[in-house]
Amino acid sequence: AQSVTQPDIHITVSEGASLELRCNYSYGATPYLFWYVQSPGQGLQLLLKYFSGDTLVQGIKGFEAEFKRSQSSFNLRKPSVHWSDAAEYFCAVGGNAGNMLTFGGGTRLMVKP
Amino acid sequence: DAGVIQSPRHEVTEMGQEVTLRCKPISGHNSLFWYRQTMMRGLELLIYFNNNVPIDDSGMPEDRFSAKMPNASFSTLKIQPSEPRDSAVYFCASTPGPISTDTQYFGPGTRLTVL
Repeated sequence: AQSVTQPDIHITVSEGASLELRCNYSYGATPYLFWYVQSPGQGLQLLLKYFSGDTLVQGIKGFEAEFKRSQSSFNLRKPSVHWSDAAEYFCAVGGNAGNMLTFGGGTRLMVKP
Repeated sequence: DAGVIQSPRHEVTEMGQEVTLRCKPISGHNSLFWYRQTMMRGLELLIYFNNNVPIDDSGMPEDRFSAKMPNASFSTLKIQPSEPRDSAVYFCASTPGPISTDTQYFGPGTRLTVL
């Protein structure tokens, strides 16, 4: 069965600092990996996705993620965080059956001024 | 496009009452998902439709929950009778088709409170 673990429930960073959110997955074959962001009171929005090719994926809002098969990880990064990045971030894995996704528990990001 | 539309945005009801949540997927999308989000259990997939046919309903908690998709532009999730533990945010999402790399587009959610 596929699963996703986001080890950090809460992270606080200062505005302008760099960010890395961790995601580890369990999947038997080549995974399809996604990062979504959820702002308060909103639905989820796709930041980026990986399914093949270059293991460093660029997304919207200046985010990027790197797929590391040897570590079963797909960590999300941003070089300089803005106050508007405060939200909850979800990693997800798919590819098992159709387009069903399994989501991690989420990481809530707070940004200090 | 207006995106995925869900109604109502908020619902407050009393235990034992029937609750119906509604979803209109993005026009032309053929796959539709219902999720439930709670603090304790995170984001859970309840049911998944493709071309209006339920493909996987293994996430539906129990017989009190039912979902239908009578046509490509409308789906409902019904809870009868409702219980306080059903309180959650329910999301609907749609994708163009049953391809694993398709992006899921989420609606704004319905916040359900069962008293």
